[in-house]
Amino acid sequence: GDSVTQMEGPVTLSEEAFLTINCTYTATGYPSLFWYVQYPGEGLQLLLKATKADDKGSNKGFEATYRKETTSFHLEKGSVQVSDSAVYFCALSRSQGGSEKLVFGKGTKLTVNP
Amino acid sequence: EAQVTQNPRYLITVTGKKLTVTCSQNMNHEYMSWYRQDPGLGLRQIYYSMNVEVTDKGDVPEGYKVSRKEKRNFPLILESPSPNQTSLYFCASNPSVEGTDTQYFGPGTRLTVL
Repeated sequence: GDSVTQMEGPVTLSEEAFLTINCTYTATGYPSLFWYVQYPGEGLQLLLKATKADDKGSNKGFEATYRKETTSFHLEKGSVQVSDSAVYFCALSRSQGGSEKLVFGKGTKLTVNP
Repeated sequence: EAQVTQNPRYLITVTGKKLTVTCSQNMNHEYMSWYRQDPGLGLRQIYYSMNVEVTDKGDVPEGYKVSRKEKRNFPLILESPSPNQTSLYFCASNPSVEGTDTQYFGPGTRLTVL
């Protein structure tokens, strides 16, 4: 079945460091791909998404490119801030009885130190 | 303000005592779902609903019930809770039953079953 694999954390970085969180997927067809972020004590919120191959999603300095050839959607940010400390989830959408359902990776906890 | 609300936010109960977690959205979304989040497992879907009176099982439905009598509300019912249902629960809604729309998540309900 469809699945998402993302790098295990936790990841600890210093402020202004470069961030990469790897995500690969297994799916039939061409799902949409998402990154969701969960700040401490809060629910998940969409960070960025890409709906077809070679699309680049971007938001708040984060970027991810939909790579069909490597079935990947790695999250990157050039200079992280303390406020980026959160848990990041990679997800794909797949059909569910006529709708779209999200399949999540296990999450990667990021801590950014000043 | 567009939002998904859940109540209660925190709940400690004992094995076998029936409980209901409420979920409400004010965005007139058709699609709603429940997830549970467990360490090392990410988010897993419990139940979903594509519209009023239309519900179906997700990946981990055992021990849970849902109902969708109104479009805005989607309560999660645990008839006889057990300790393995101790988890963080999220309700989510989606604007339509087609396409790749963003899911909106509630703030979460942390449930402890003793």
